[in-house]
This record gives sequence, structure tokens and C-alpha cells, in this order.
Amino acid sequence: GQQVQQSPASLVLQEGENAELQCNFSTSLNSMQWFYQRPGGSLVSLFYNPSGTKHSGRLTSTTVIKERRSSLHISSSQTTDSGTYLCASGANTGKLTFGHGTILRVHP
Amino acid sequence: ETAVFQTPNYHVTQVGNEVSFNCKQTLGHDTMYWYKQDSKKLLKIMFSYNNKQLIVNETVPRRFSPQSSDKAHLNLRIKSVEPEDSAVYLCASSWDWGYEQYFGPGTRLTVL
Repeated sequence: GQQVQQSPASLVLQEGENAELQCNFSTSLNSMQWFYQRPGGSLVSLFYNPSGTKHSGRLTSTTVIKERRSSLHISSSQTTDSGTYLCASGANTGKLTFGHGTILRVHP
Repeated sequence: ETAVFQTPNYHVTQVGNEVSFNCKQTLGHDTMYWYKQDSKKLLKIMFSYNNKQLIVNETVPRRFSPQSSDKAHLNLRIKSVEPEDSAVYLCASSWDWGYEQYFGPGTRLTVL
């Protein structure tokens, strides 16, 4: 079945630094999503990005299907960006396969 | 703005009891899902459901079952809980298979 590998597992930044989070998946996908999980557990969808590049404020997601990878770039990090970032690849049945996540800590 | 609602937020119960969790979405979506997030924080699909088909992850024990009254609601029933069922259960919805999924806040289950 589909496997999703995220890297790094954890990342510590000083406020203002940039972050690059990676997601690699084992087989061809139908969809790709990036989520932010708050410490309380709720999931916030950041990007639905099956292919190409999308921007949202300080966030950029790039998915390259033929290379089976997606990245999330956070520019000028802030302490409020701290949390867990999850990527998930989707099959045409709607089933999302999640990575283990990247835990981001941004210090002031 | 929350559009996928789950109740309860937390539930503590004894082994062998039956529990039921509710999920409602106000997005007008046709497809709903249940995921389980274990103690290691890994999310795994349990069920995918719309008016055409129910897809069950083969690893889900038979004591779990989805229950739907209409396309806006998909509840999760656990017939006889086991300690390993302790987890966070997350509900999601999308327009159709393969479209962007929106998640609820989750229900944390603790089985004593």
C-alpha cells in the first residue's frame, strides 16, 4: 500500500528563519494535502495540492508528481507556527495515507 | 470557521462498554470519513462513505461500525471497547472521493 515519509521528524528554528518540510510517497497519488495540527489535536488544512505550486501568505507548497514528492516552505517563521505539520497522499477511493509528521518549534 | 462538528470532545469508559461518536458536516459534501489517531500520533483511515459506497479499511475490527442517517451525518459506533481503542477519532468530509478533506476537532476516547 501507499507509504508516506516525512522529513525532518522535528525542527527547531529561531523566529524569522525559513523552514522546508518534505514529503515523499511510494506510489502514484490522486491527491495531496498538507495539514497543521494544533496542540489540542484539530487538523487545519493548509493546502490541497495534487500538483504544481500553491501559495498562501508565508506558506508555499510544491508537489512534483513524477518525483513522488511534495514540500512545504514556511518563510519568516513565527512562534505561532509551532506545531505538527502532516502531509497526506490520497487514493481515488478518498483514502488519505498520512506521514508521521514534522514537529516544528519556533523560538522567539 | 468550523464546518465539521464532532461530539463528544472526550469520553472515558470501561472495557466492554458500547460507545457512539457523532459527526456532522455543514459543507454539503457527499463523502465522509473516520480516522483514528493513535498514541504515536499516526492517523489511519477507518471508513470512507458516501451514498454510493462504504469502504472499510481491512484492519478495522468488526466491533467498529459507521452509521449514517443522511449525507451530512456519519456516526461511529464501537460495540464493545477494548483498551487499544483508546485514541483520538477524527471525522472528515469532502465533495467526493479524492477531493480536499476537511476535518473535525476529534473525539478523544480513553478506555479504562
